[in-house]
Amino acid sequence: EVQLLESGGGLVQPGGSLRLSCAASGFTFSSYAMSWVRQAPGKGLEWVSAISGSGGSTYYADSVKGRFTISRDNSKNTLYLQMNSLRAEDTAVYYCAKDLLVGAVAFMDVWGKGTTVTVSS
Amino acid sequence: EIVMTQSPATLSVSPGERATLSCRASQSVSSNLAWYQQKPGQAPRLLIYGASTRATGIPARFSGSGSGTEFTLTISSLQSEDFAVYYCQQYNNWYTFGQGTKLEIK
Repeated sequence: EVQLLESGGGLVQPGGSLRLSCAASGFTFSSYAMSWVRQAPGKGLEWVSAISGSGGSTYYADSVKGRFTISRDNSKNTLYLQMNSLRAEDTAVYYCAKDLLVGAVAFMDVWGKGTTVTVSS
Repeated sequence: EIVMTQSPATLSVSPGERATLSCRASQSVSSNLAWYQQKPGQAPRLLIYGASTRATGIPARFSGSGSGTEFTLTISSLQSEDFAVYYCQQYNNWYTFGQGTKLEIK
C-alpha cells in the first residue's frame, strides 16, 4: 500500500524557518516525481513545489520562489520542504503528494494526511 | 496562470439523487483535468483523471466528462459518504485548482 507521512509542522514566528519531511513507502520512490500542496485554513488547494524522481529538476509556485527549497533523499525514501522567511500567509496544512505521469503530463494520485504550519508571533 | 472556476460553490442534494458539478478553465487544458474529493480533516482523494478516467477503486457512480475548457463531474446516485468538498485541477500547464464545490445533504 502506498503511504505518505508528513512531519515537521509547527508554530513559527514570521521570518522564521521550518523543514517539513514526507516519508514514503509502498512504491519505488525514486521513480516518481513528488509535489507539495498546501491548504490555508478554510481555503482551497494551492500547489507549492515539485521535484523530479532523480531530484535533478525542481519547480516552484511564484508565491514561494526564493524562500522555499524542495529536495529528496532517495536512499531514505523521504521528501523535504525547507521553508525560510516564513510569512503569515504561509499558514496552511502542507500535503505531500506522489505524482503519476501519464503521457507527457502528471497529476497527484496519492496524498499524505498533511502537517500543519502556523506562522504567527 | 490558468484559472479554474467551479460552480456552484455549494450544492444541496438528497441521498439517492444525481449531483452535477461544473468546472471551467480560463484557457484550454485539453483533457488534463482531475477531480478530487476531500472530507473534513482528511487529505484529498483522486477520483478522476484525464477528465473521464476513474482512479483505482473509485465507484462507477462517479463519472467525468468534458475537454478544453468545460468539465463536469457527475455522481449518479448519492450515497451518504459522498457528501464532501470536490476540487477540479488542471495539470496541462503546471497545476491549479478550482475553489471547490461543497456537496451537502438536502
